[in-house]
Amino acid sequence: DAGVTQSPTHLIKTRGQHVTLRCSPISGHKSVSWYQQVLGQGPQFIFQYYEKEERGRGNFPDRFSARQFPNYSSELNVNALLLGDSALYLCASSLTGQDNSPLHFGNGTRLTVT
Amino acid sequence: AQSVAQPEDQVNVAEGNPLTVKCTYSVSGNPYLFWYVQYPNRGLQFLLKYITGDNLVKGSYGFEAEFNKSQTSFHLKKPSALVSDSALYFCAVGEANSGYALNFGKGTSLLVTP
Repeated sequence: DAGVTQSPTHLIKTRGQHVTLRCSPISGHKSVSWYQQVLGQGPQFIFQYYEKEERGRGNFPDRFSARQFPNYSSELNVNALLLGDSALYLCASSLTGQDNSPLHFGNGTRLTVT
Repeated sequence: AQSVAQPEDQVNVAEGNPLTVKCTYSVSGNPYLFWYVQYPNRGLQFLLKYITGDNLVKGSYGFEAEFNKSQTSFHLKKPSALVSDSALYFCAVGEANSGYALNFGKGTSLLVTP
């Protein structure tokens, strides 16, 4: 079975640009979460979606937005990129979206902002 | 508010010896505790979780973790380390009915030497 897939794997953008990251969850999983992992740190929660509804949002500016589609795939959008947005962006899916359900992570999108 | 601390940046152990990676947490309610492992340039892989019940939780690849409520700790253990266990280990805490956001520690790098 395919795991969580993310695209692209790597991306280089310039300050001020916009970026869209994509995620396909494990088949049957209805919940998708996004995390940002800065080098040397643990992942930080950005968003969780379940059944196309936003369930939670972390402490990130409004430049960050996301959505979930009817097939449960998801996009993370970041506007007006800053150098500090350079990070590994991780998508995770879970079967139920309940708060004790293990997350299954993709390999991430490495975003570099120059 | 939830938080988790991993007090060691790096743990070194010889192959065949027991290993412990430490984690302490802080939540206002009942915690959900997780351990994940990350290999270079990969996403996080779920190892084990504690929700309720037995304080000793068994997980993947021979790992186990002991939940200690009085010490608010959830240390990861393995009786006999393998070189292939060398990776970055993250402890994460969630909380019942507080949304799905997991708070991750900063990670502990485990190095197992032959």
